Amino acid sequence: DGGITQSPKYLFRKEGQNVTLSCEQNLNHDAMYWYRQDPGQGLRLIYYSQIVNDFQKGDIAEGYSVSREKKESFPLTVTSAQKNPTAFYLCASTLDWGRTDTQYFGPGTRLTVL
Amino acid sequence: QQQVKQSPQSLIVQKGGISIINCAYENTAFDYFPWYQQFPGKGPALLIAIRPDVSEKKEGRFTISFNKSAKQFSLHIMDSQPGDSATYFCAASSRFDYKLSFGAGTTVTVRA
Repeated sequence: DGGITQSPKYLFRKEGQNVTLSCEQNLNHDAMYWYRQDPGQGLRLIYYSQIVNDFQKGDIAEGYSVSREKKESFPLTVTSAQKNPTAFYLCASTLDWGRTDTQYFGPGTRLTVL
Repeated sequence: QQQVKQSPQSLIVQKGGISIINCAYENTAFDYFPWYQQFPGKGPALLIAIRPDVSEKKEGRFTISFNKSAKQFSLHIMDSQPGDSATYFCAASSRFDYKLSFGAGTTVTVRA
């Protein structure tokens, strides 16, 4: 089955720790995205990557970092600089940049800071 | 600053009733308007989408109405079923930056 997998499903972090969220897709999509979801605020774009070895900041990139070394993988690191990281994180992909009509989402990772 | 404003925040409807969710936007460059459905603990899934060259699109019990002059679009869920209980997000994107802007979401509860 083609799709997007995110791991882990739940993640707990202590104050001051960096954590990395995994996102893998086997849809052969060029573009990948990370969103943050908070209650009552919809989805906000953290980072996006149009193609391998390229990524751009979204609307709320502070305290986050990403890499795109392989087409199928787009990991997100939540650093200690992110002041309020508790949220539901969603990874998505599109066939290519410009094809928002092909956007698929992964199942999400819920991050909780203890 | 949210580019797409969605209302209501939540609604409750009886089984068989009609659910209506409204969205408004300001950016006239938007040319793609999807609706996503999200169940608790899951990622959103594309439900139905419209482009501004049509005023209405229907897929099964789900209909999008689009008013270009008013810069508004809405989702109608006809004959609502308990399985439709979910959070619905409207969104919009333009051909200039291709990034989706999402509304805040509407939680729909369908009572049996």
